[in-house]
Amino acid sequence: DAGITQSPRHKVTETGTPVTLRCHQTENHRYMYWYRQDPGHGLRLIHYSYGVKDTDKGEVSDGYSVSRSKTEDFLLTLESATSSQTSVYFCAISETGTDFQETQYFGPGTRLLVL
Amino acid sequence: TQLLEQSPQFLSIQEGENLTVYCNSSSVFSSLQWYRQEPGEGPVLLVTVVTGGEVKKLKRLTFQFGDARKDSSLHITAAQPGDTGLYLCAGYTGFQKLVFGTGTRLLVSP
Repeated sequence: DAGITQSPRHKVTETGTPVTLRCHQTENHRYMYWYRQDPGHGLRLIHYSYGVKDTDKGEVSDGYSVSRSKTEDFLLTLESATSSQTSVYFCAISETGTDFQETQYFGPGTRLLVL
Repeated sequence: TQLLEQSPQFLSIQEGENLTVYCNSSSVFSSLQWYRQEPGEGPVLLVTVVTGGEVKKLKRLTFQFGDARKDSSLHITAAQPGDTGLYLCAGYTGFQKLVFGTGTRLLVSP
């Protein structure tokens, strides 16, 4: 357990409304990630952060923005939600072990339905 | 662009059977990982393979990294209902960025 929480855990919203998902970590990890998971696609990287106010785009970043104003929180915003953004969203942190191999630890996920 | 293709997509077997899941790519990876995900939870790392040809065992699970570091396999011996879940391979394409495979959903019935 890497101390990752996500909120909300479930959300239903309407097309065109803004939505913000929050990821909170308690162990001061530098790297944080947002993924979406859809059937047949595994997990796809949306955005990631390598420090406070340092973020970069992932594979499927269109329609999403992120912010990280403090180490423990990484926010994902859908500026104007569309039905194609219905998905399960996972936050993750990255930790390097004593063998210098990285491990990503994932939060419990947020299930978003856009009607 | 999906760099990692897994097969099969879905596997339904009886307890005690053996199975193999494949993860293939045209790209070379510095390391490759396997995760398992249970319903309603995030993926959990099972293993990391680093060296081409490497074989790692985790109880009844055997992981192999291809010699050219483009593919990997997961073999489960004598599957149990507790092995049920979604299995995902993942590889690092750049510094700190992980690409996931398409996933294999395994159902083991008693």
